[in-house]
Amino acid sequence: QKEVEQNSGPLSVPEGAIASLNCTYSDRGSQSFFWYRQYSGKSPELIMSIYSNGDKEDGRFTAQLNKASQYVSLLIRDSQPSDSATYLCAVTGNTGGFKTIFGAGTRLFVKA
Amino acid sequence: GAVVSQHPSRVICKSGTSVKIECRSLDFQATTMFWYRQFPKQSLMLMATSNEGSKATYEQGVEKDKFLINHASLTLSTLTVTSAHPEDSSFYICSASGRASEFFGPGTRLTVL
Repeated sequence: QKEVEQNSGPLSVPEGAIASLNCTYSDRGSQSFFWYRQYSGKSPELIMSIYSNGDKEDGRFTAQLNKASQYVSLLIRDSQPSDSATYLCAVTGNTGGFKTIFGAGTRLFVKA
Repeated sequence: GAVVSQHPSRVICKSGTSVKIECRSLDFQATTMFWYRQFPKQSLMLMATSNEGSKATYEQGVEKDKFLINHASLTLSTLTVTSAHPEDSSFYICSASGRASEFFGPGTRLTVL
């Protein structure tokens, strides 16, 4: 079982729709959860961080964390073509000295 | 967010040569920096954790003698790919840990001919 799992996609949504990205993780002791956006050929850019159960909203982005289900998601409202990128879920846990483990990423396409 | 720089952004070298990549945290002191490698359409794979003033911690399967890491100061870590081969061609990304988050450099695209 992969430590951080994401659907590779591609996920295709029309402009203005809500894009929903999901991620599960295996280390129940994980403490910090992040969503990064990565454009092709570029390094990841932090979008959201979340540390406790529930929702966290920042502009058009909402991160949701459910530690009991070991599940974290990212919602993008009013999706724009510029949101088209690969979204990486990352989890920092207790094992191995608080290393951050990345999922393989979900490719999102927002159609104009 | 914090700024992390990498140099060079792109390098092409011949097989057998060594390449040094620099990673700098520009606006905060980073006691810990990380080096990742990313092959096309794959996720970031942690290569090693670089700690200022001590030896780097390498992930399983990463040859420490091939990927030399030096973290000489709180703002600079270097990765040297020794005797590079075509299979080492990849996107190398560093990050600096600080302010409860991890900040990535822009990456270095290495192509070994």
